Amino acid sequence: TQLLEQSPQFLSIQEGENLTVYCNSSSVFSSLQWYRQEPGEGPVLLVTVVTGGEVKKLKRLTFQFGDARKDSSLHITAAQPGDTGLYLCAGVETSGSRLTFGEGTQLTVNP
Amino acid sequence: DVKVTQSSRYLVKRTGEKVFLECVQDMDHENMFWYRQDPGLGLRLIYFSYDVKMKEKGDIPEGYSVSREKKERFSLILESASTNQTSMYLCASRGAGTFGGYTFGSGTRLTVV
Repeated sequence: TQLLEQSPQFLSIQEGENLTVYCNSSSVFSSLQWYRQEPGEGPVLLVTVVTGGEVKKLKRLTFQFGDARKDSSLHITAAQPGDTGLYLCAGVETSGSRLTFGEGTQLTVNP
Repeated sequence: DVKVTQSSRYLVKRTGEKVFLECVQDMDHENMFWYRQDPGLGLRLIYFSYDVKMKEKGDIPEGYSVSREKKERFSLILESASTNQTSMYLCASRGAGTFGGYTFGSGTRLTVV
């Protein structure tokens, strides 16, 4: 099983601040996905990045896939309390369709 | 929208009981998965299935089994529940193809006493 390390594990910031979450591996993934999970619910897919170097934007969220397809980052601009949640990165293994999840980043945005 | 429905949001079972967790998806997805989620350990794959009557072990299959008799339904079975199986259980489905995201159910919070 390929491993994904996510950092930081916890992040507490004030409304309006910017933040970046990192997802790193020594393995190559065919694609990488980011999910957001709210308490008591299952994770919800935010984005899939496929090509090395790819950048995708979703309103104030910017996702980047590393050139070597081993790492990814999520940048949030001007965070809002509604961004609070658990952010999970997940890599699609090159050998098949199963996902490997990072441990998650618990983000709290204080008003 | 694709829906993945887990039969129970909360369950409390006694040690030694046989426990069935049910999951149904309505989008004709080939692939279905069972994960457990624990603080500090993230999501860990228990079992998955690529097709009806097919099953594959994930990373932590011990103490669990699965059943997939119909394409839309994937059941997780705890043969003899133990306290270390207290966890949040998440079912997911995914269509064929390499880049599709998973659709998760809302989870079942299982407590074994």
